[in-house]
Amino acid sequence: EAQLLESGGGLGQPGGSLRLSCAASGFTFSAYAMTWVRQAPGQGLEWVSGISGSGVTTHYADSVKGRFTVSRDNSKSTLYLQMNTVRVDDTAVYFCVKHRSAVVGDPFDIWGQGTMVSVSS
Amino acid sequence: QSALTQPPSVSGSPGQSVTISCTGTASAIGSYNRVSWYQQPPGTAPKLIIYEVSNRPSGVPDRFSGSKSGYTASLTISGLQAEDEADYYCSSYTSSATWVFGGGTKVTVV
Repeated sequence: EAQLLESGGGLGQPGGSLRLSCAASGFTFSAYAMTWVRQAPGQGLEWVSGISGSGVTTHYADSVKGRFTVSRDNSKSTLYLQMNTVRVDDTAVYFCVKHRSAVVGDPFDIWGQGTMVSVSS
Repeated sequence: QSALTQPPSVSGSPGQSVTISCTGTASAIGSYNRVSWYQQPPGTAPKLIIYEVSNRPSGVPDRFSGSKSGYTASLTISGLQAEDEADYYCSSYTSSATWVFGGGTKVTVV
């Protein structure tokens, strides 16, 4: 059974940095693209960033482009999100999500339980 | 990367059918058949219930069905049950190689 476990959330200050991790198990990690989706408190879902199975191709939402970097270590079955220059409006639960194939353009199916990021001074 | 448009809420009695619309643009929904729907009960992670407009993953009841016409996708829940109370989100791949979600629809079983 495919499982995703996020970690690294917590309290950050505006302008600071945070790094999220997502440990995958139960499937061949390198065969699937991965995505980060966030949900601000009481709000809807927002796609943040995606990365192909090989890690060569990455995509970002305009709201995080130039500040966040997605990466993966296929040898460790782990996905990362480096969050720099964080802002108060980055406060959200961040979900790690698996796609149905190696390309970001295919639908995503399995979701982790999420990790909370709070940005406040 | 404008969000897709969904109604904030819909409601129905047990056994009835409800339909949730999801309106996009030429660059989202209009360009691809990569439209998905997710169910999110309170306090839980979203769950995929429809992908590629009308396909159901294994284990999802056939009471859930999806369709698309032009720039609008739709999710229909037939034979509404109390356990269907949740927030529902549509999503679409876009011509900018990104994904976009709708604002979400709260389904209430009255």
